[in-house]
Amino acid sequence: AAGVIQSPRHLIKEKRETATLKCYPIPRHDTVYWYQQGPGQDPQFLISFYEKMQSDKGSIPDRFSAQQFSDYHSELNMSSLELGDSALYFCASSSKGANVLTFGAGSRLTVL
Amino acid sequence: QQQVKQSPQSLIVQKGGIPIINCAYENTAFDYFPWYQQFPGKGPALLIAIRPDVSEKKEGRFTISFNKSAKQFSLHIMDSQPGDSATYFCAARDSGAGSYQLTFGKGTKLSVIP
Repeated sequence: AAGVIQSPRHLIKEKRETATLKCYPIPRHDTVYWYQQGPGQDPQFLISFYEKMQSDKGSIPDRFSAQQFSDYHSELNMSSLELGDSALYFCASSSKGANVLTFGAGSRLTVL
Repeated sequence: QQQVKQSPQSLIVQKGGIPIINCAYENTAFDYFPWYQQFPGKGPALLIAIRPDVSEKKEGRFTISFNKSAKQFSLHIMDSQPGDSATYFCAARDSGAGSYQLTFGKGTKLSVIP
């Protein structure tokens, strides 16, 4: 069965650089969620989209932005990267109103 | 403020033992309580979930017990195996707020010793 696809799996950036993470949801899933998980921490909700519109916003820094495209894939753009942005970034998808969120394998961002 | 409090932080059991992980919440509007299992370097995977109108749910070796009045729920793993060694997160969701995002507990790192 198709799962949530995230790319890249690993990314190394310098401070103040920008990074873009991509997420391809499960086919026919119309809702995408982004989570940030620091080392040894629980996943923290950043932002979600339903039908290409932002549906909810969590602890996403102003330096970050995201969008969902017409094919339902989503991109998380991170600018002016800081050391503290080093984390695993997970994307999850679901059908609107469905209970189950399916997570991708994550993108590990390292900021040097 | 952590909306979902999870304990213990870590847990070590012998193979065949029954680890129990506990979670408590304050927001009475939460209406869905899943448990996720996460292996190192992987994304969280849904293990089992419960709604507040049910006091217990069992799927294979995994059981959720739910106490609505105490606002607590717990995960029991029967006949635990070394392959169960992972980090377990409880979570909660308030769909009535129009949001379907999950709020996670801090996680419990379980080690099952052969």
